[in-house]
Amino acid sequence: GESVGLHLPTLSVQEGDNSIINCAYSNSASDYFIWYKQESGKGPQFIIDIRSNMDKRQGQRVTVLLNKTVKHLSLQIAATQPGDSAVYFCAERAFYNQGGKLIFGQGTELSVKP
Amino acid sequence: DAGITQSPRYKITETGRQVTLMCHQTWSHSYMFWYRQDLGHGLRLIYYSAAADITDKGEVPDGYVVSRSKTENFPLTLESATRSQTSVYFCASSDAGGLGGELFFGEGSRLTVL
Repeated sequence: GESVGLHLPTLSVQEGDNSIINCAYSNSASDYFIWYKQESGKGPQFIIDIRSNMDKRQGQRVTVLLNKTVKHLSLQIAATQPGDSAVYFCAERAFYNQGGKLIFGQGTELSVKP
Repeated sequence: DAGITQSPRYKITETGRQVTLMCHQTWSHSYMFWYRQDLGHGLRLIYYSAAADITDKGEVPDGYVVSRSKTENFPLTLESATRSQTSVYFCASSDAGGLGGELFFGEGSRLTVL
C-alpha cells in the first residue's frame, strides 16, 4: 500500500505486508528530516532520521528514502505488525527558516489488519 | 525516573481563566519546545527555548507566555484561555535544538476550554 501524505491521510495494510508512507516537503533549503510515530494518547516517538546529503537510510525494519529533486520523503516499514498501527509524521528542518526548528507535516494514520 | 514529564495530563477550564502547563526534563537538554496538536494541523510550534532565560516565538505564539528560569523547566501559560486554545499540548526537549538531533516528547497535556 502507498500513501501520498496529506492527500491520503489513512493507510490500511495487511499484517506482514510492507508499508510505504509518503511525505512531500516544501522547502528546498531543508537539510534534515525525521520520521516520528505517535500512538494513541502518547507523544511522538523518534523512528529514523536522514540528512540531506543522503538519499537512503536504514534502521530496524524501517527505511527512509529522500528524493531532493522532487522534495519527497518516504518511510518504508517491512513486515508490518499490529504494533505499527499509529500516526506517522514527517518533520523537516529548514535551517534558513525560523532558526532551524523542526516543522511537522500533518501525519498519516497507519492501520494494520491482522 | 528520567525523562520528560508534563502536568497536568488533563485540564478543563473556562474561557478567560489563566492556565499553566508544566514541563520538566531530567536530561539537562538545552533546548525545549512547546507544540500544540490539532486535528488537521499536525504539530505546530508555539514557543521554544535555546537555554535558560532565552525564549523565542514559534509558528503560533499568540495568547501564550513561556519562561525558562531553570534549564529543566519550561512552563507554558495561557493568560486568558479561549476556546480556540482547546488542544493537546506537547512539550519536547533536545540537546541540539532540533538542528541535527531528535526531539524527545512528553506524553501531552489535553486542555479543554469551555
